[in-house]
Amino acid sequence: GNSVTQMEGPVTLSEEAFLTINCTYTATGYPSLFWYVQYPGEGLQLLLKATKADDKGSNKGFEATYRKETTSFHLEKGSVQVSDSAVYFCALSGGGGATNKLIFGTGTLLAVQP
Amino acid sequence: EAGVTQFPSHSVIEKGQTVTLRCDPISGHDNLYWYRRVMGKEIKFLLHFVKESKQDESGMPNNRFLAERTGGTYSTLKVQPAELEDSGVYFCASSLGLAGAYEQYFGPGTRLTVT
Repeated sequence: GNSVTQMEGPVTLSEEAFLTINCTYTATGYPSLFWYVQYPGEGLQLLLKATKADDKGSNKGFEATYRKETTSFHLEKGSVQVSDSAVYFCALSGGGGATNKLIFGTGTLLAVQP
Repeated sequence: EAGVTQFPSHSVIEKGQTVTLRCDPISGHDNLYWYRRVMGKEIKFLLHFVKESKQDESGMPNNRFLAERTGGTYSTLKVQPAELEDSGVYFCASSLGLAGAYEQYFGPGTRLTVT
């Protein structure tokens, strides 16, 4: 079945460092891909999404490109801030045989130090 | 406009007891989802309502879990009797339509601890 694999955390960075969180997926067909973020004490929020190959999702300085050839959707940010500290979840929906449900990775905790 | 709300925020119960979680979706959202995250693992889908009908309940772990959405508004998820492995964070989400085209808005979650 469909699945998402993302890098283990925690990831600890200094402020203004470059961030990459790797995410790869397994799916038949053409799923939509998402990054969700959970800030401390809050629910999950959609950070960005891409619905077809080569699409780039972007929001709040974060970017991710839907790469069908490598089945990847890596999250990047050029300069992280302390306020970016959160848990980041890669997810997919759709694809062959799937329904509306989101399939998530295990989440990656990002801690940004001043 | 209010977001998705969940009650309670935290519940601690003993093994064998019953717990009912509640989710109030965003007004007008016909689609309602339940998910669960067991400690440190991925968030897993439990089930999906469209209005009051169960569209997909393939993720429900066993018959100790019962979800309802009477009248197509709020939803409840009952665990009876609770087991230790039911501990985790239960998330509810709602959306206007299909996951690819419409965002799923998540509530803050209910942290369930079974001792």
